[in-house]
Amino acid sequence: DAGVTQTPRHEVAEKGQTIILKCEPVSGHNDLFWYRQTKIQGLELLSYFRSKSLMEDGGAFKDRFKAEMLNSSFSTLKIQPTEPKDSAVYLCASSLYRGEEQYFGPGTRLTVL
Amino acid sequence: GDSVTQTEGLVTLTKGLPVMLNCTYQTTYSPFLFWYVQHLNEAPKLLLKSSTDNKRTEHQGFYATLHKSSSSFHLQKSSVQLSDSALYFCALNTNAYKVIFGKGTHLHVLP
Repeated sequence: DAGVTQTPRHEVAEKGQTIILKCEPVSGHNDLFWYRQTKIQGLELLSYFRSKSLMEDGGAFKDRFKAEMLNSSFSTLKIQPTEPKDSAVYLCASSLYRGEEQYFGPGTRLTVL
Repeated sequence: GDSVTQTEGLVTLTKGLPVMLNCTYQTTYSPFLFWYVQHLNEAPKLLLKSSTDNKRTEHQGFYATLHKSSSSFHLQKSSVQLSDSALYFCALNTNAYKVIFGKGTHLHVLP
């Protein structure tokens, strides 16, 4: 089975731009997660989907971050508009169901200038 | 609310010594506990998991026992290797839908 794939692997954006990150979960997995990872804050949950339904929208990330599951095998994370403080690694993960391990993608490293 | 607390910051050890990384949690639900390891420039991947009280689980020389009485799931290894240098996360999954990660512990193994 293919693992979680994420594109692009690296993204450089100017402040104020809109960027879209993409994720394909492991086939058959029901849960999909988006995280932001920084050295200071660690792993922060941005969004959580169960069977394509949004279960968690990350609270503080609501205003400029929007995740969608277009179908069971594809998800996007839109950041609009980007700010320099958004510079981080964005990780997508999927799991078969609650209580099972999460499989992480390689991440997208975002730099906002 | 649900929470996870783990040894924070950097743990530096010489190769061959034992290590224990602490993880404690709080939840009113039935817990699933995980340890993930993330090597430099790689994605986190599962190291250990457990939901069974007082049962030791092992993988790649690492081991941990879930103790519900003390709400703990400490990660141990009897002899660390240079390749164990990485970032380690403890994570809690409950009957609710949230997965909560600890802040992470950097393990640095010296020759």
